[in-house]
Amino acid sequence: AQKVTQAQTEISVVEKEDVTLDCVYETRDTTYYLFWYKQPPSGELVFLIRRNSFDEQNEISGRYSWNFQKSTSSFNFTITASQVVDSAVYFCALSEAGGAQKLVFGQGTRLTINP
Amino acid sequence: DTGVSQNPRHKITKRGQNVTFRCDPISEHNRLYWYRQTLGQGPEFLTYFQNEAQLEKSRLLSDRFSAERPKGSFSTLEIQRTEQGDSAMYLCASSLGPAVSPLHFGNGTRLTVT
Repeated sequence: AQKVTQAQTEISVVEKEDVTLDCVYETRDTTYYLFWYKQPPSGELVFLIRRNSFDEQNEISGRYSWNFQKSTSSFNFTITASQVVDSAVYFCALSEAGGAQKLVFGQGTRLTINP
Repeated sequence: DTGVSQNPRHKITKRGQNVTFRCDPISEHNRLYWYRQTLGQGPEFLTYFQNEAQLEKSRLLSDRFSAERPKGSFSTLEIQRTEQGDSAMYLCASSLGPAVSPLHFGNGTRLTVT
């Protein structure tokens, strides 16, 4: 069975600090996808990134970066120079490669950026 | 791209009543999903449509739940004889298949069963 664990329930930092959100996953599939979604107070889940299990290259998008390590089954997310607008709940998710995109979500990490 | 639209935003009902939610996906998206999210948890998959065909249902979807997507466009999710345990946020998402593409989520319908 697939499982995603986000051990950090809540994180609070001061604006401009860097922060890393941890994600550990379990799957027996050799091909799978990993995702990060952001859920601001408005409630709508916003897609941030998708990663194929064959692509272990780290990715950077502006202040956001992702570190994918198959050896440790982790897909961590770092926000550099955090801003108040980054405050939200962040979810890591996993899906099998084919057919329905049945995302298995972690419990989420509530990130609060204080001014 | 007007996004995924869900109605109503909030629904309060008494235990035992039936409720129906509606989801309008992004127009060109052929795949539509329903998820349920309870407080403090991540969303859980309920069911999935490709066009008008319901291809998969989670074990979470009891016999009291039924979903339809009659013309491959909008979808409805009905809960019969609601129970307090049904209280949750019901999220709809759509995507463009067959490739694995990101899900676009709506704002959800928050159901409270009293």
